[in-house]
Amino acid sequence: GENVEQHPSTLSVQEGDSAVIKCTYSDSASNYFPWYKQELGKGPQLIIDIRSNVGEKKDQRIAVTLNKTAKHFSLHITETQPEDSAVYFCAARVNQGGKLIFGQGTELSVKP
Amino acid sequence: EAGVTQSPTHLIKTRGQQVTLRCSPISGHTSVYWYQQALGLGLQFLLWYDEGEERNRGNFPPRFSGRQFPNYSSELNVNALELEDSALYLCASSLVTGVTVNTEAFFGQGTRLTVV
Repeated sequence: GENVEQHPSTLSVQEGDSAVIKCTYSDSASNYFPWYKQELGKGPQLIIDIRSNVGEKKDQRIAVTLNKTAKHFSLHITETQPEDSAVYFCAARVNQGGKLIFGQGTELSVKP
Repeated sequence: EAGVTQSPTHLIKTRGQQVTLRCSPISGHTSVYWYQQALGLGLQFLLWYDEGEERNRGNFPPRFSGRQFPNYSSELNVNALELEDSALYLCASSLVTGVTVNTEAFFGQGTRLTVV
């Protein structure tokens, strides 16, 4: 069935370091892969996304890579800042299904 | 432009009661999705409504139901509340264009439901 695995579940880095979160999806028909940031007490906020016809996308300090063959996609945050501390979720969607299937989340802690 | 709005923000109910949660999508969006996020867990898909019709349903019992109105706002109803229904209920909206091609989904702040 549809499944998205996300690793690691927790990640602690020093301010200025890079952080990488990895996800694997099971449904080969998935063609849209967003990443969300959720701060305490708030709803998830879309930070970047990638579609299956693209291998990499970058937006300032954030980048996402997609390997369709391996069914892997990753979030890369460079020059981390304390305000990057939050729970990050990856997700995958098959267009006709509409719904997003989410990974289990990664709690990122950036220490000053 | 207003984002996705949900009401109420917090709710406390007693086991066995019924609850209705409300969601207003971003202007122009036709699809509404409901997710359940239990404490410390990920987001579990509940329901998807588009153009007033239920398009997809997650693995939840029938006491979870909803509807979408002509103005694209939506309600989520939960009957016979159980303690394990305590969670953050999130609504998201997107626009379906072409042949089931969805745009990005944006979430509201959620409704925190506590069942005692």
